[in-house]
This record gives sequence, C-alpha cells and structure tokens, in this order.
Amino acid sequence: SAVISQKPSRDICQRGTSLTIQCQVDSQVTMMFWYRQQPGQSLTLIATANQGSEATYESGFVIDKFPISRPNLTFSTLTVSNMSPEDSSIYLCSVERSSGLFFGSGTQLSVL
Amino acid sequence: DAKTTQPPSMDCAEGRAANLPCNHSTISGNEYVYWYRQIHSQGPQYIIHGLKNNETNEMASLIITEDRKSSTLILPHATLRDTAVYYCIVIGRDNFNKFYFGSGTKLNVKP
Repeated sequence: SAVISQKPSRDICQRGTSLTIQCQVDSQVTMMFWYRQQPGQSLTLIATANQGSEATYESGFVIDKFPISRPNLTFSTLTVSNMSPEDSSIYLCSVERSSGLFFGSGTQLSVL
Repeated sequence: DAKTTQPPSMDCAEGRAANLPCNHSTISGNEYVYWYRQIHSQGPQYIIHGLKNNETNEMASLIITEDRKSSTLILPHATLRDTAVYYCIVIGRDNFNKFYFGSGTKLNVKP
C-alpha cells in the first residue's frame, strides 16, 4: 500500500477564485494521477502527472483550468482555476504500486 | 470506457456472504481484474485483484471464471461497515493511466 496525504480535506470557495490541492506520498513514485468525482457520479481521470514533464490531460480537461505541478517524485499539486459551482466535486490523487492504484482521502470542494 | 458491467445495487443481510458479480466479456489476456470500494465521500480502497486464478486475502475472495469473462467478489461475512460502492475494473498492468471507474455496485448491508 501507500500512505498518501492530501490537503485540504475540504474547502468552500467563492466563484472566480482558485484552489490548489496538495498530494504528498510516503515514497517515490513515477506516476501520480488526479481524479474528479462529481456529486453522485463515478471517478473521472483528469490527468497523469510525471516528474520532469508536463502532465497528460484526458479529453475534456485542459491545463489552463487544471494546472498541475510535479516538482519531485513524492509530491504533486492540482489547481482548480477560476472556479464555478460546476467545479464542486471531490478531487482525488492516486499513485501506482505493484499491486494497483492507491488513493488519497480526497478534497471535497464546494464552490458558491 | 469501463469495459465492465455491474448491477447498480445489491442488498445483503449482516453476517451473510455478499457476492458481487462483474461481467468483463472483452477482457484481454494480459488484463487483470481489480476490485475497489468507496465508502461515502472517501477515497477508493483497494480490495483485491487477480489475473486468472482465484484469490483470497483478509478482506475478500475473488472468483474468476475459467474463460475470464466474469468474476465475483465475495465478502464472506458482511458487516454494516461494508456498505459502500464496489467497483470492478479491468486493466493491463502497464496501463494504469487508463484506470477507468464505471458506475459500480452499491452494496447495502442491512441489520
């Protein structure tokens, strides 16, 4: 397994502002993944973050809206920019281990 | 593209075995079957995975049919804390960037 710390655990934000979510892993990992889970929905992959290169975004997600940093092998951030109420979701980071993907506890974001 | 089909919901009596089915008729030879569960608003929790042999760990058992087109997750003695959404995922080990979650099965464990 992996110990993944995600901060903040929840936040309430105003429309038009930005929020940066941090993900810290207890050991070095090559790939980190960011997911979004909208209310009542399943998880959707936003992007894959590799250290030393730009993140790879899935269809429907763009770097201007969800910029990602990956400064080293144990840390990543996801920023939700210029937020609107439609961005209210749970955001999750995950890492790959030999036995599968392991997830942080998530950031519950509410945009007013 | 989740590549799996699961019933949207199931009920199970506390203390009884919960058997959660998953169809994955298009599974490829090098793809594994993974099971996760998500308890309300928490991050998904890894349960078990397998390739073609049946697997058992401290949480559950995984039964994969011989043709690998379906599998069943068994929680041998369900408790109220097992109430969650259970996701069955088919993925190649070198394709974790394509780890897609379908709708899952909402398991309701009742007293």
